[in-house]
Amino acid sequence: DAKTTQPPSMDCAEGRAANLPCNHSTISGNEYVYWYRQIHSQGPQYIIHGLKNNETNEMASLIITEDRKSSTLILPHATLRDTAVYYCIVRPYTGANSKLTFGKGITLSVRP
Amino acid sequence: DAGVTQSPTHLIKTRGQHVTLRCSPISGHKSVSWYQQVLGQGPQFIFQYYEKEERGRGNFPDRFSARQFPNYSSELNVNALLLGDSALYLCASSLGDSGANVLTFGAGSRLTVL
Repeated sequence: DAKTTQPPSMDCAEGRAANLPCNHSTISGNEYVYWYRQIHSQGPQYIIHGLKNNETNEMASLIITEDRKSSTLILPHATLRDTAVYYCIVRPYTGANSKLTFGKGITLSVRP
Repeated sequence: DAGVTQSPTHLIKTRGQHVTLRCSPISGHKSVSWYQQVLGQGPQFIFQYYEKEERGRGNFPDRFSARQFPNYSSELNVNALLLGDSALYLCASSLGDSGANVLTFGAGSRLTVL
C-alpha cells in the first residue's frame, strides 16, 4: 500500500509556480521521498528525491518539513508540457528490495 | 546515450497465450525492475533483479516470471494470459539495488489480451 497521500488533482496557470503537496506521516528514518511524473502513455520520469534537506535540480525543488511528515514539490515556472500525473513515493534506502510503491498520484493541469 | 529500451512496444494476444517482454537497461546499470500499470492506476511492482539474482517479487501469480541475463538485459514472461493482464508493462533500470539509486523507466510495452 502506498504510504503517501496526495490530492487527486490541481491546476495552475502557465508561467506560475506549481506547488504539489504530499503527506507521508508514517515515513521512517531510513526512507527517501521520491517524486516521479508520468505524461500520458509514457513511462514515469524521475524528477527529484531527498532524505532530510531541501533539494533543487534543473527540473524542480523539493521542500521537506523538519518532521519529515510532509513535502512539497515546486515547479518554479510551469509550462503546458508539465501537465502530467505526479507521484510522491517513500522508498527505503537500505535493503535489497528497493521497489517504488506508486499511489494514485496528483494530476496537474497547466492552463494557458 | 540510449535510455531503457523495451520491446515490443505494442502487442495483442488472446487468452491462454504466452508473452515474452524484453528490456535492455542503460549501459552500466546492473539492476532491472518490472512494473505493471493497468489503465487509471499507478504502476505496480512485479520483480526486481540485480546481478542476475531476484531481489524482490510483488504480489503477482506464478504465471509471471522473469530473468536477467549476463549482459543485464531482462525478460518478463507471462503464461496463460487473462483479460486482466492487459496493461502497460514498464521496465526500469538502476546502477544498484538500494533505494539510493534512481530508477530510470522505459516507455513500456502495451499488452492487450483479447
